[in-house]
Amino acid sequence: AQRVTQPEKLLSVFKGAPVELKCNYSYSGSPELFWYVQYSRQRLQLLLRHISRESIKGFTADLNKGETSFHLKKPFAQEEDSAMYYCALSGSDRGSTLGRLYFGRGTQLTVWP
Amino acid sequence: KAGVTQTPRYLIKTRGQQVTLSCSPISGHRSVSWYQQTPGQGLQFLFEYFSETQRNKGNFPGRFSGRQFSNSRSEMNVSTLELGDSALYLCASSWRGRRGGTEAFFGQGTRLTVV
Repeated sequence: AQRVTQPEKLLSVFKGAPVELKCNYSYSGSPELFWYVQYSRQRLQLLLRHISRESIKGFTADLNKGETSFHLKKPFAQEEDSAMYYCALSGSDRGSTLGRLYFGRGTQLTVWP
Repeated sequence: KAGVTQTPRYLIKTRGQQVTLSCSPISGHRSVSWYQQTPGQGLQFLFEYFSETQRNKGNFPGRFSGRQFSNSRSEMNVSTLELGDSALYLCASSWRGRRGGTEAFFGQGTRLTVV
């Protein structure tokens, strides 16, 4: 069964410290993995996706199929990074639609000054 | 480019009533999905529509239904409301590029409170 696990509900770091938000998944096929972020009082928005292999706002995430992980990392956290982060998996057959997104329960990141 | 618009933003209903929520996707997006967000269950998939057809359905009772119109706008209906239906309902529109990249854009949600 498809599942996304984010083991940390809360994560706190100081400004300038490295941060890693963990995400593990289970899926029988080849999934598409995403990280979504929700800042206070804002809508859920895409941060990055594994297929793009890009760095957004200093964040990167590498898909590790062997460990079925897609951890989100940033070498130097900033106060404005404080938000709720969701890891998500798409089980689409890569047809025309995105398909169903399976979300983890989210990690609330707090970056202290 | 306007984002995903959900109306209304807030709703208060009593048990047993029904409710209809509306979602206008980003222009050009033909796929619309609905999610229920609660503190206890997190983000749960309700259903997805593409070109007026339901393509995927989550594990929700039949009281939850939806539809999509020819202009891609979508509505979600919940009948015989229960207290447990109180949640933030999110709509997302998405597209799939030729190279397979996808992105879902979320609305701000409709906060439904059942009393």
